[in-house]
Amino acid sequence: DQQVKQNSPSLSVQEGRISILNCDYTNSMFDYFLWYKKYPAEGPTFLISISSIKDKNEDGRFTVFLNKSAKHLSLHIVPSQPGDSAVYFCAASASSDYKLSFGAGTTVTVRA
Amino acid sequence: GAVVSQHPSRVICKSGTSVKIECRSLDFQATTMFWYRQFPKQSLMLMATSNEGSKATYEQGVEKDKFLINHASLTLSTLTVTSAHPEDSSFYICSARGAGRGSTDTQYFGPGTRLTVL
Repeated sequence: DQQVKQNSPSLSVQEGRISILNCDYTNSMFDYFLWYKKYPAEGPTFLISISSIKDKNEDGRFTVFLNKSAKHLSLHIVPSQPGDSAVYFCAASASSDYKLSFGAGTTVTVRA
Repeated sequence: GAVVSQHPSRVICKSGTSVKIECRSLDFQATTMFWYRQFPKQSLMLMATSNEGSKATYEQGVEKDKFLINHASLTLSTLTVTSAHPEDSSFYICSARGAGRGSTDTQYFGPGTRLTVL
């Protein structure tokens, strides 16, 4: 049972434009959400996170928005750069056990 | 961010042998470490959770006698794949969370270990 869903398997965006990645979850116990970036044959790299008490968190070019009522979060990358091309995973956890549930990932390709 | 290392990065072994993978948190104390497995073009699947000094908790469907986990210290956890078979070939990744770096809710991942069983 997939508790975290990323419905877009891929996203292509032009360099300099905004990349918007979406993520939906079903478990109302999730209270901490993270985005990771991953290259093939490497471990995920932590990008940004947000607690359920917030609706927005910003770190440089990365901003995560959380809509608890809709059980939806998104990652905005602006401006997009060629080095941003990778697979992005959305993950969620509950403070009861800290286990991460991952989405299927979205492959982002930034075109020059 | 916090640094987590894994060793070895790649291992090839014969069917029936055992393989040990180490996961270390280099600049923080990991109260909890997690072991994941990733199949090609799929997401990460949690295998087990280990807390320092206690037995690991395995996810449903993961054989605890097959995948032995030891979390002997706050900076080291090991995963031993016992009597490995070709179907155990996969990409194994560890993560750690704990005090000292960022939020204790954030898991930091190692670079992964590619296991190939012939």
